[in-house]
Parts: sequence; structure tokens; C-alpha cells
Amino acid sequence: KAGVTQTPRYLIKTRGQQVTLSCSPISGHRSVSWYQQTPGQGLQFLFEYFSETQRNKGNFPGRFSGRQFSNSRSEMNVSTLELGDSALYLCASTSTGTSDTGELFFGEGSRLTVL
Amino acid sequence: GENVEQHPSTLSVQEGDSAVIKCTYSDSASNYFPWYKQELGKGPQLIIDIRSNVGEKKDQRIAVTLNKTAKHFSLHITETQPEDSAVYFCAAGGRAQKLVFGQGTRLTINP
Repeated sequence: KAGVTQTPRYLIKTRGQQVTLSCSPISGHRSVSWYQQTPGQGLQFLFEYFSETQRNKGNFPGRFSGRQFSNSRSEMNVSTLELGDSALYLCASTSTGTSDTGELFFGEGSRLTVL
Repeated sequence: GENVEQHPSTLSVQEGDSAVIKCTYSDSASNYFPWYKQELGKGPQLIIDIRSNVGEKKDQRIAVTLNKTAKHFSLHITETQPEDSAVYFCAAGGRAQKLVFGQGTRLTINP
């Protein structure tokens, strides 16, 4: 069974640009979450999508947005990039529904560098 | 909302010794406490989890303890090996999709 796939793995952008990251969850998983990982800050929750609907959202500015497609693949977009957006962006999928606790399966991440 | 504090941020132990990582949480409603291990260049992977109706759980060399009264939980790794070197994250929440993660602990096992 293929794991969570994130593309691209590495990218470099300049301030003011925008970026789109893609995540393909494990087959059959309907929940996809996005996290930002920076040194010393751990994993900061961005948002979660379930069946094409955003179900939860973290405390990030509106420049960060996402969506989920009918095949459960998800994209996140960051507009008007700032230096502080440099981070590893991780996607995680899970098969559970709205109330179950269950394992999050993470991809290897997309490392974004903003110059 | 939930807030999770994790200590220490870095930990270095000799191979064969034990390692302990501690986390505290703030929301008494949290009932799910997983630990994730992140190796270099990879995404975090679940290694063990515990729910609030259990005080301790063990899986081979790894154990987690939970003190709901004090709102803290700990990861214990015994007989450490070089492959245990990684970054470890604790988390707390009501379900997987709403977890709050700690800041991470970089564990180094010295041969």
C-alpha cells in the first residue's frame, strides 16, 4: 500500500510569490491534515479536510489556504510569501471519521525556502 | 485551547541507557496522547499512544505513562540503541485530527 505522497519535496521561492503544495493520501483515507514544522516550534496545525470540506483550521493567517478534491487528494496554497513561511510542510492522512482517535500517517514533507 | 509543553528539547544518552521525555498538557478534556518519532528526512511516525483510561502502556523497549491528575505524560525508552536517535514529538487531544503537538525532543544515542 503506497504511503502519503507529497510534491514537490523541495522548492525555493522569493518573497511575495505564491506556492502550491500537493498531497496524495493513502488510498481509502478521507481525512487530510496539514502541518507546518519549524525548528523549536514543533508541528503547528494548519487545517484538516474531510470529504472535500474543511473541518478544522489552525491559527494561521488567511494567506494559507487549502482544498481537497473528490479523490481525497489535497493541496495547500500560501500567497504573498514571507521569509517566516520557510518551513517543512507536512501532510498527514487518516482513515478515521469525525470522533475516533487514530493514527496519523505523515508524508515526508515539502521543504519550502523563501528568499 | 490545548497547550502542550515538551522537555527536554535535546537529550543525549549513552547506548544501552534509558531515555525519558516528558510532556505536560493544559486541557483536562484531552483523552488521547500519542508519541511520534521523526527520523532525518522523513515524516513523523506513530510509535506508541495511550488513552486516558489507562495509566501505562508498554511495547517492547518503549513505554508511556500518563498522570491525568497532574496533566503530564512521559515516554520511556530502555536499552537505547543507535536507531533510536531521532526527534520525538508528544501530542494531546480528543482525536487524531485535532492533536496539539509538543515542540519536539532531539534524542541522540552515543555509542
